[in-house]
Amino acid sequence: NAGVMQNPRHLVRRRGQEARLRCSPMKGHSHVYWYRQLPEEGLKFMVYLQKENIIDESGMPKERFSAEFPKEGPSILRIQQVVRGDSAAYFCASSPGNDQPQHFGDGTRLSIL
Amino acid sequence: DQQVKQNSPSLSVQEGRISILNCDYTNSMFDYFLWYKKYPAEGPTFLISISSIKDKNEDGRFTVFLNKSAKHLSLHIVPSQPGDSAVYFCAASGGNFNKFYFGSGTKLNVKP
Repeated sequence: NAGVMQNPRHLVRRRGQEARLRCSPMKGHSHVYWYRQLPEEGLKFMVYLQKENIIDESGMPKERFSAEFPKEGPSILRIQQVVRGDSAAYFCASSPGNDQPQHFGDGTRLSIL
Repeated sequence: DQQVKQNSPSLSVQEGRISILNCDYTNSMFDYFLWYKKYPAEGPTFLISISSIKDKNEDGRFTVFLNKSAKHLSLHIVPSQPGDSAVYFCAASGGNFNKFYFGSGTKLNVKP
């Protein structure tokens, strides 16, 4: 009865490299959400996806960030040409429907050198 | 634009007493509210929710109160236990359940 699985748990990148964060939702959940948490702050919504569709990406920076949730496989949050300000904890959540509480993974801590 | 605010960054309570965590919001369109609990190095865990058609929801030791006119909700934990020590986040959504706005969290310390 696995929960939301995120990997890697920790990711270190140098400025200018690409970061790929993966999220496998709970079994039976078709809705995936990505959030970012900066130190001493709450979680900030980034993007909401269903299989093969981006439903709401209003919280995602317009450049360098992209997300996908393919028909097969995990959801991917991709950050190109990372900068120091991208250092944060990135959390993925899933739900079976859009009127249900979201269940979170343990996050990926991204550090930019 | 901080639409959900938790003005107390920390709270310390004696074991067995009541813990009251507060949350204020500014958007009158919000109609669904949740509380999450978070331990270090883990993701938030859903605790309890309330929709705007109710003013109270109870689940065991946890009760959430909603005051729509004041745009205020609170989480009561009674009796508090040391295992309740964690960061508590409130979250709100309006019309569109897909996007939740989170407060900055309150760190609860329950002393034995």
